[in-house]
Amino acid sequence: AQSVTQLDSQVPVFEEAPVELRCNYSSSVSVYLFWYVQYPNQGLQLLLKYLSGSTLVKGINGFEAEFNKSQTSFHLRKPSVHISDTAEYFCAVSPNTDKLIFGTGTRLQVFP
Amino acid sequence: EAGVAQSPRYKIIEKRQSVAFWCNPISGHATLYWYQQILGQGPKLLIQFQNNGVVDDSQLPKDRFSAERLKGVDSTLKIQPAKLEDSAVYLCASSLPFEQYFGPGTRLTVT
Repeated sequence: AQSVTQLDSQVPVFEEAPVELRCNYSSSVSVYLFWYVQYPNQGLQLLLKYLSGSTLVKGINGFEAEFNKSQTSFHLRKPSVHISDTAEYFCAVSPNTDKLIFGTGTRLQVFP
Repeated sequence: EAGVAQSPRYKIIEKRQSVAFWCNPISGHATLYWYQQILGQGPKLLIQFQNNGVVDDSQLPKDRFSAERLKGVDSTLKIQPAKLEDSAVYLCASSLPFEQYFGPGTRLTVT
């Protein structure tokens, strides 16, 4: 079985500062990794995904994530955040092409 | 391209009442999912359809929840009777391989 741990339930940060949202996963098989963002009262939107190849993945809105197999991590980063990045961020794993297992989410709060 | 549509957006009912949610996926997407997202948690898969057949309903509380997908397109999720712990956002998603597209969700409050 697969599981996802997002250690930080909330991350406060000032505008234009860098941010890292942490994600660790557990799986006995190879998995695919995803980050989704959820703005208030909206559904989830895919930020980026790791399927294979380069371990550094670039996504939308200036976000990137790095897959680290030895540490079973897939941390999300942005070098300079904006107020509009305030949202809930979910890390997810999938053992196949469609089934997603989500973490509990990290609330990113960007202050002016 | 139109996204995944869901209705209603909000619903308040009393415990033991029934409720139904509707989802219209993106045209051409064969796979459809219903998730339950309780406040402070990540979405949890309730049921997965491939066309109009059920692929996975292992986490669906079948004593009170039911779902169907009509002609492999629209889907409805029903709860009967509702309990207080069913208060959550119910998300519908449809997918291509490796990418799920989510609707805005239905926020259910059971009082």
